[in-house]
Amino acid sequence: EAQVTQNPRYLITVTGKKLTVTCSQNMNHEYMSWYRQDPGLGLRQIYYSMNVEVTDKGDVPEGYKVSRKEKRNFPLILESPSPNQTSLYFCASRSGGEQYFGPGTRLTVT
Amino acid sequence: EDQVTQSPEALRLQEGESSSLNCSYTVSGLRGLFWYRQDPGKGPEFLFTLYSAGEEKEKERLKATLTKKESFLHITAPKPEDSATYLCAVRTTSGTYKYIFGTGTRLKVLA
Repeated sequence: EAQVTQNPRYLITVTGKKLTVTCSQNMNHEYMSWYRQDPGLGLRQIYYSMNVEVTDKGDVPEGYKVSRKEKRNFPLILESPSPNQTSLYFCASRSGGEQYFGPGTRLTVT
Repeated sequence: EDQVTQSPEALRLQEGESSSLNCSYTVSGLRGLFWYRQDPGKGPEFLFTLYSAGEEKEKERLKATLTKKESFLHITAPKPEDSATYLCAVRTTSGTYKYIFGTGTRLKVLA
């Protein structure tokens, strides 16, 4: 089954404790992206990657890091999470005009 | 500044009552306009891509249209299972691989 998977699905952590959210796709897509979704603000793009070792900033990259060492994986790294990074995070991969989204990761930073 | 605005924020319809959702955009150059459906607790699901003014796409009870300033998602004879949040997004020429999303329209169809 073609899909984008994310782990963990839910995470509660404390300020400053480094964390990684994994994202993997099995569709051999070159393009992958991370978004956060907040009430009233909609989906905002954090980072995207056009291919292995090629990444670029979206609209809200501050406080986040990404890496793309393999085509199928695109982890999101929060080196020192803060409460304002509490949000619902989505990973997506793209084929042509279609973006396929993962199920989301709900992150709470206390 | 590139911007996407969706209206209304929320819409309640009776089953069978057709209506339209609006997505207006202000961008330096349009590379594509996208419609998604999002159910509670799930990731957005792709519906349509539109590339140029005058283009139309249809899928079951949904029809998307595009002008130079806005897009409409027409819902004909909706059913309760059409209840969801509908998101509009654009990809612009100023950010080749960037996407800008609107805040969505929450649709509730009553039986």
